[in-house]
This record gives sequence, C-alpha cells and structure tokens, in this order.
Amino acid sequence: KAGVTQTPRYLIKTRGQQVTLSCSPISGHRSVSWYQQTPGQGLQFLFEYFSETQRNKGNFPGRFSGRQFSNSRSEMNVSTLELGDSALYLCASRQSSGNTIYFGEGSWLTVV
Amino acid sequence: AQSVTQLGSHVSVSEGALVLLRCNYSSSVPPYLFWYVQYPNQGLQLLLKYTSAATLVKGINGFEAEFKKSETSFHLTKPSAHMSDAAEYFCAVSEEAGGGADGLTFGKGTHLIIQP
Repeated sequence: KAGVTQTPRYLIKTRGQQVTLSCSPISGHRSVSWYQQTPGQGLQFLFEYFSETQRNKGNFPGRFSGRQFSNSRSEMNVSTLELGDSALYLCASRQSSGNTIYFGEGSWLTVV
Repeated sequence: AQSVTQLGSHVSVSEGALVLLRCNYSSSVPPYLFWYVQYPNQGLQLLLKYTSAATLVKGINGFEAEFKKSETSFHLTKPSAHMSDAAEYFCAVSEEAGGGADGLTFGKGTHLIIQP
C-alpha cells in the first residue's frame, strides 16, 4: 500500500508569490491534515480536512488555506509568501475512525 | 490545552548502550501518545503509540515506551543502540483520536547521536 505522497518535494518561491502544495493520502484514508515544521517553532498543526470539509484549524493566518477533493486528495495554499513561511510542510492521513496519523515525506518550501 | 516537554534537545549514547529519550505531557483528558522518528530530509515515521490499551507499548526497530499516568510521562527506550538509530525523535500528544481540534501537539524533538 502506498504511503502519503506529497508534491513537489522541493520548491523555491519569491516573497509575495503564492504556492500550492499537493498531498495524496493513503488509499482509504479520508482524513488529511497539514503541519508546518520550522527550526524555531517546531511542528505545528495547520488544519485537518475530512470528506472535503475543514474540521479543525490551527493558529495560522488566513494566508494559509487548504481544500480537499472528493478523492480525498488535498492541497494547501499559502498566499503572499513571507520569508518566515520557509519550512517543511508535512501532510498526514488517517482512517475515518483511526487514531494513528501517517505522515508523508514533506514539501520543502524556501521563500527568498 | 495539551502540551509536550522533551527533556534534552540532544542525547548522545554509545553504540550498544541503552537509549532513553524522555517525554512528559500535559493533558486534561486521558491522552493518546505517540513517538515519531525523523531521519534527515525525510518525513515522520511512527515508532509506536499509546491508546490506553496497555501501558507498555512496543514499537518498531526494538523501541518501546511506558505510559506512567502518575508521572505524566511516556519515555522511549531501546536496550541496545545501533548506528542506524541516529535521528530526530518527536513525542506527540492528542486529546482525541486522530488529533482533534488542536491536531497532534509535538515536543521540540530530541536529536539522538550514536557514538561508535
């Protein structure tokens, strides 16, 4: 069974631009969540989607948004990029009634 | 609100020695507890989880952890360290299955160094 797949793995953007990251969950998993990892703040919860609806959201500004499609694939978008948005963005998935969250390899975003 | 404290940002042990990584948590309800490992330039891999079934939890790669409610701890151990264990280890807590309103709350991580 394939794991959580994230694309792209690495990308460089300029301040003010926007970026879209993609995530394909493990087959059969309907919940997708996103986390940001930085050296200073560590791992922080961004949001969780289930059946195309955002269920929970962490303490991030509105520039961070996401969506989930009917096939459970998810995208997250960051608009008006700032230098501080440089981070590893991790996507995770779990089964509907599951308590185990499985993570992908992440997307490394560098904002210059 | 839930929180996690990992004592020691860096832990160094000799190959073959006992590995002990400390994790203390705060939670207003019986928690779900996890240990994840992160190798350089990779995502998080689940080592083990506690979900109230058994207090001693065995995971992959020879790791285990014991849930101690009285100490609010969930320390990770491995009897004999291997060079391949060198990585960053994260303890995480959630108050609901699968994360809940605040998702998983992670500790700052412990970098495990294995000396030959």
